[in-house]
Order: sequence, then C-alpha cells, then structure tokens
Amino acid sequence: GAVVSQHPSRVICKSGTSVKIECRSLDFQATTMFWYRQFPKQSLMLMATSNEGSKATYEQGVEKDKFLINHASLTLSTLTVTSAHPEDSSFYICSAKRSSGRFIEKLFFGSGTQLSVL
Amino acid sequence: LAKTTQPISMDSYEGQEVNITCSHNNIATNDYITWYQQFPSQGPRFIIQGYKTKVTNEVASLFIPADRKSSTLSLPRVSLSDTAVYYCLVGPLDSSYKLIFGSGTRLLVRP
Repeated sequence: GAVVSQHPSRVICKSGTSVKIECRSLDFQATTMFWYRQFPKQSLMLMATSNEGSKATYEQGVEKDKFLINHASLTLSTLTVTSAHPEDSSFYICSAKRSSGRFIEKLFFGSGTQLSVL
Repeated sequence: LAKTTQPISMDSYEGQEVNITCSHNNIATNDYITWYQQFPSQGPRFIIQGYKTKVTNEVASLFIPADRKSSTLSLPRVSLSDTAVYYCLVGPLDSSYKLIFGSGTRLLVRP
C-alpha cells in the first residue's frame, strides 16, 4: 500500500534554532499534503495545506512566517519551524492525498515528528 | 465541513465487540464518513470509509443508517492492541477535502 515517510521521527533542539521536517510520499504522487500538530492527549490540529508548486494555505491562527512550508515536488513537502521556542514543542504529523482523477482515494499519514525545544 | 461528536472514552475487555458511534447531524449529500485509528506517538491509520448502509473490511465494519446523521464503527473481538484513539471524520472526497479532526474516542481494552 501507499506509504508516507516522515523524517526525523524525533528532534531535540535549542531555543532559537530552526528545524526542518520532511514528508515524502514513497509510491505515489501527492499534489497536496497536509501538516498537523498534536499536543499530548489532544486531537490533531490542521496547520496548513501544502500544494505542489504553489504557496501553502495556512489555517487561522497559524503563523506562516513561523512555520515555513515548501512543496517543491510531487513527492516531497517540508515544514520548517523557524526560531523554535519551547512552546513549539509538539508532535507534528504530515499527510498526503492520493487522488484518482478528481476524487481522493485516501489520505495517508506519516509517522510523526516529536519536536522538543529546550 | 460537518462537525462530529463522539464519546470521549470507552472501556472494553479482550474478545468483546466494541461499537463506537459518531454523530454528524449536518452531514452533506456528498460527504463520506471515514474512521482513523491512532496509537500514541504515531500518525493516524485509515480503518474504514463509507457513504451509506454497511461497509466491512478485514478489521472493522461501518454501519450508516439511512439518514446518515450518525455512523457506528464496529470492532469485532478486540484485543489489547486495539487500545488507541479512534477518530470519525466527515467530508467530501474531492479536491477541496481537508481532514479536520474532532476529539476522537479513546478506547481502552483491558485483559
């Protein structure tokens, strides 16, 4: 079946540094990918929609200059948390949409990235 | 997007059948119902998807009444490894589709 690979699975960084998270669709092309964040014991919160070759669409309340999204190819989207602070510590999850023509067959999720900012 | 309501938590024992009901009163004509499972520190995993009546696959069944205002995920003979959070999502399967997660149901399976 389709697989979405997310890397790294865990990252610890110092406050003020930037962290890049990669999301790859391994056996299908994904024109659209989604980025979520999840705090402990809470549900997933959609941060942004990443579209190949165009600017990402951010959900209300998500700082686009803080969370930079690049979707340069049909199989890769990256999320960069810039100037990370302890409050950015969270579990980040990507998902990729596999489409059949106009319709979505399914959404596949990466395994997530646990970001800890010291 | 139709809002969903699920029980926050459920307890069960190994070998029992578990039914998790999701309410989606404002479901639209072109909306589908999809259920995901999430283990701690992992991304959600697709379980089952349906539009109406009943859908069954190797891991679960999905029951959808005629008015489609609710749906029930049925897990037959649960095991300890089924302890997870289960999310019910509703939306159209077109290019505008983006998954918005509700609170989910935290299922605990006891020995």
